[in-house]
Amino acid sequence: DADVTQTPRNRITKTGKRIMLECSQTKGHDRMYWYRQDPGLGLRLIYYSFDVKDINKGEISDGYSVSRQAQAKFSLSLESAIPNQTALYFCATMDPLNTEAFFGQGTRLTVV
Amino acid sequence: KQEVTQIPAALSVPEGENLVLNCSFTDSAIYNLQWFRQDPGKGLTSLLLIQSSQREQTSGRLNASLDKSSGRSTLYIAASQPGDSATYLCAVADRGTSYDKVIFGPGTSLSVIP
Repeated sequence: DADVTQTPRNRITKTGKRIMLECSQTKGHDRMYWYRQDPGLGLRLIYYSFDVKDINKGEISDGYSVSRQAQAKFSLSLESAIPNQTALYFCATMDPLNTEAFFGQGTRLTVV
Repeated sequence: KQEVTQIPAALSVPEGENLVLNCSFTDSAIYNLQWFRQDPGKGLTSLLLIQSSQREQTSGRLNASLDKSSGRSTLYIAASQPGDSATYLCAVADRGTSYDKVIFGPGTSLSVIP
C-alpha cells in the first residue's frame, strides 16, 4: 500500500458544487499538507496541519477548507467550486526527524 | 520569503548523454533539499534527499549536490535513457518561517530522445 493515498484520483465537477478530496497516510507522522499544482507555477501550499487540533492556512487558502479527522486523515474541501480551481492536488506528510516529504499520487480536479 | 527556481525549464537530449539540472534557492536556512520526479499527470516520486549538513547524495545514475551557502543544487543524471523523460522538481524544506513547509521550484521538463 502507498504511504499516502488520495481519493478520488480524478474528478469532474460543476461550478458551484461542493467537493471533498480525501487523504490518508500510513507513515504515522503528525504533519500533513495540501498543495495544488498548476502548469508553470509549481506546487503551492493550500493548508497544513501539525496535529489534529492544529490547522493553518498556506499561501492560497481562499476558497478551500480542511478537516483533520485523525492523525492519518486530512481532507480538503471546495465549498463552491469555480473553474480556476481546476488543478492537480497533492496531499503530503512529513517526517519530523529528517523533514523528508512523502506525497500522494495526486487528484486531478476539473471544474466545468 | 524563500523562492526556488530551476534552470532550464525544458531540456531535450539524445540517449546516452550525461546531463545536469540546476536548482537555486534564495534563503540558505533550510532543513534539506529534495529532488522529485513527476511523470505526466502523475504523482511525485522522491529521488534524493540531501540534509542541510550534507554536500551530496547518490542513487544509481543520479547524483545530487548541495551548496547551501550559494543557494544551489544540481542533479546529475549519467547515461540518460528514454525512461528518464519526466519533469524533475526540486524542493526545499524551509526553516525560515514560523512553520516547516516544503517549497517547490517550477520544475525542469526532460525529454531523452532514443
